[in-house]
Amino acid sequence: GDSVTQMEGPVTLSEEAFLTINCTYTATGYPSLFWYVQYPGEGLQLLLKATKADDKGSNKGFEATYRKETTSFHLEKGSVQVSDSAVYFCALSGPGGGNKLTFGTGTQLKVEL
Amino acid sequence: DTGVSQNPRHKITKRGQNVTFRCDPISEHNRLYWYRQTLGQGPEFLTYFQNEAQLEKSRLLSDRFSAERPKGSFSTLEIQRTEQGDSAMYLCASGTYNEQFFGPGTRLTVL
Repeated sequence: GDSVTQMEGPVTLSEEAFLTINCTYTATGYPSLFWYVQYPGEGLQLLLKATKADDKGSNKGFEATYRKETTSFHLEKGSVQVSDSAVYFCALSGPGGGNKLTFGTGTQLKVEL
Repeated sequence: DTGVSQNPRHKITKRGQNVTFRCDPISEHNRLYWYRQTLGQGPEFLTYFQNEAQLEKSRLLSDRFSAERPKGSFSTLEIQRTEQGDSAMYLCASGTYNEQFFGPGTRLTVL
């Protein structure tokens, strides 16, 4: 079945550091890929998405590129802020099946001054 | 606020009791999903509706769980004879073809 693997956290960075959170997936067909973010005490929010190979999703300075050849969708940001501290979830939805989401286990990011 | 809402936000119950949660989706969304999230894990799919029809149920959803969406608007998730293993955050999402928006969740604690 479909699955998503994320790098384990927590990831601790200093403000203005470069961020990469790795995500790889296994799926049949051509899934859509997503990054969701969960800030402390809040619900899941869609951060960005990509629906086909080589698409780049971007939002709030975060980017991720859909790499079919490496089945990856790594999240990057050039300069993190303390306000980016949150848990980040990589997810996919396969064709058919109502587009239900399959999530990774999440990666906690802590950004310090 | 036109986002997804869930009630109650917190529920504490004793083992063996029944509980019911409600989800009010974004009004123009015809798809509604339920997920369960335990501590340190990503959400796991439970079931989904397109309008009032329940089109898929996960194997995670035992026969103690039932979900309805009677008029294609709000949905309820009922857990009968709760067990301690049911303690989790229950998330509802609504969406269109390729995007889902999540509610704040209902945190269930079974004592």
